[in-house]
This record gives sequence, C-alpha cells and structure tokens, in this order.
Amino acid sequence: EVQLVESGGGLIQPGGSLRLSCAASGFIVGNDYMGWVRQTQEKGLEWVSIIYSGGGANYADSVKGRFIISRDISKNTLYFQMNSLRVEDSAVYYCVRGLGARPLAGVWGQGTTVTVSS
Amino acid sequence: EIVLTQSPATLSLSPGERATLSCRASQSVNSYLAWYQQKPGQAPRLLIYDASNRASGIPARFSGSGSGTDFTLTISSLEPEDFAVYYCQQRSNWQTFGQGTKVEIK
Repeated sequence: EVQLVESGGGLIQPGGSLRLSCAASGFIVGNDYMGWVRQTQEKGLEWVSIIYSGGGANYADSVKGRFIISRDISKNTLYFQMNSLRVEDSAVYYCVRGLGARPLAGVWGQGTTVTVSS
Repeated sequence: EIVLTQSPATLSLSPGERATLSCRASQSVNSYLAWYQQKPGQAPRLLIYDASNRASGIPARFSGSGSGTDFTLTISSLEPEDFAVYYCQQRSNWQTFGQGTKVEIK
C-alpha cells in the first residue's frame, strides 16, 4: 500500500527552524516527483516546493531562499528544512507524491501542523 | 502567477442531483487542470487530472471537461459521501490552486 507519514511539526518562534520528515512506503521516493503543499483557512492550498525524480527542486516565491526540500533514498524519506520561519508560514503541511512525472498530488500524507508564534 | 477562480463558492444541492462546478484560469493552462475533493479533517484527494482523466479508483459519476481557461467538474448524481469541498489546480506554470467550492446538502 502506498503511504506517506509526516512528522516534525510543532510550535516554533519567528526566526526559528524546523525540519519536516515524510516517510514513504509502497514506492521509491526517488522514482517520482515529490512535494510539499500547505494549507491555511485564510490562504487555502499552496504548493510550496517540489523535487523532481532527477533530483532538481523548485520553490514557491513565498519560501524561496528559506526552505530546502531533500530526500534520502536509503531511508525512503522526504525532508523539508524550514529556516527563518515567519508567522505566515503557519499551516498544515502535507507531503505529496506526484502522479508519475506530473506535478500533481496523487497521494497525500495526513499532514503535520506548523505554528509560528511568539 | 496563474490565478484560478472557482464558482460558485457554495453549491446547495440534494442527493441525486447533478453538480456543476466551474474553474476559470487567468491565462491559458492548456489541459493541465486537476480537481481534488477534501472532506473535513482529511487531506485532499485527486479526482481528475489533465482536465478529463479520472484518477485511479474515482467513480464514473465524476467527470471533467474544458481546456484553455474554462473548466468544469460535473458530478452526475450526488451521493451522500460527495458533499465536500472541491479544489482545482493548474500545473502549466508552477502549481496553483483555486479557493474551493463547497458542495453542501440542501
């Protein structure tokens, strides 16, 4: 069964750092596009980062230069290093698996909540 | 950034009725438009990709159409489990989502 399980969310002060993890099962993370999508009541759904099967990555302008997506194929895990966190980064963060070579969210994790507050 | 505008914001219908949801893009996205369903407390689920292709396991009552800037998601006959929020997403230029349409029980 294909499954994504996120961890690492929590409460963090503005300017702090947090690393999210997404453990994958039922497929190999290096074979598909993977990404992070966040959701808030105010802004809705926002695709914030993607890592391609070839290893390249891309980011939404809102997080570019602050967040880094990576993967460890030996652990079959996706990561999201979030630095210089801002109040507006507070959201539920979902790990997603692309649909083949399409940047679509074919499989979603259960989500992990990040709250940035002093 | 490509902006997706969904309408209506809320659709009040009864089980068995037909639902027609709209998604309009600020510029052409060709056929690179997807639809998701989200129920309370759950992650979204992919329903339709590339405008008209049903994702794996999605019932035939869900269909998508359109190209360019205007797209439609149709639910031919609403089942009780279909009352949820629906989002469109484009992948033509980065990935952006619409603000959602809530389908509620009338």
